[in-house]
Amino acid sequence: SQTIHQWPATLVQPVGSPLSLECTVEGTSNPNLYWYRQAAGRGLQLLFYSVGIGQISSEVPQNLSASRPQDRQFILSSKKLLLSDSGFYLCAWSDSLYGYTFGSGTRLTVV
Amino acid sequence: RKEVEQDPGPFNVPEGATVAFNCTYSNSASQSFFWYRQDCRKEPKLLMSVYSSGNEDGRFTAQLNRASQYISLLIRDSKLSDSATYLCAVRTYSGAGSYQLTFGKGTKLSVIP
Repeated sequence: SQTIHQWPATLVQPVGSPLSLECTVEGTSNPNLYWYRQAAGRGLQLLFYSVGIGQISSEVPQNLSASRPQDRQFILSSKKLLLSDSGFYLCAWSDSLYGYTFGSGTRLTVV
Repeated sequence: RKEVEQDPGPFNVPEGATVAFNCTYSNSASQSFFWYRQDCRKEPKLLMSVYSSGNEDGRFTAQLNRASQYISLLIRDSKLSDSATYLCAVRTYSGAGSYQLTFGKGTKLSVIP
């Protein structure tokens, strides 16, 4: 069966520090991968999606970036965090047939 | 108009009540529809897909009206464990073999003893 792993679960980072969140999927190949952010009191916002290795599409211009170095690995990064980057970051995968399956999320607080 | 809109809530209902959630979407080319459940500080989890003919899973019934671009979720005989935020999601083909899932902001449900 397919599983999705996301870490860390919680992160507190100072403004201006770098960020790296990792997501891996097991039990499937060539999944579509997604990064979403859910800010307090707001809905899920799609940040990036990827249909294959090295293929990244950005939905919202901001100081975040994403990379897909391997088929089942998706990384969200920032060189310098802003206060507004705080939120609940969720990785998800899809096989194009059904809805998405989400990882357990990373709760990021920028201080 | 937002892509996916839901009742703002919150809904506070007694145990045993029937509660309905509504959702509208703006893109008529949307192809698939879903309801997710999200518990506090947890990731959303797929509750059920929504099919054109309507579908039922135990106490949960989902319906789709493509002409009106409207989706609904009905929960009968509410349980305390149904307390959560319910998210409507709409999937649209975005080209190059990729689909995007757009979510509503969700409606919070509290079932009260």
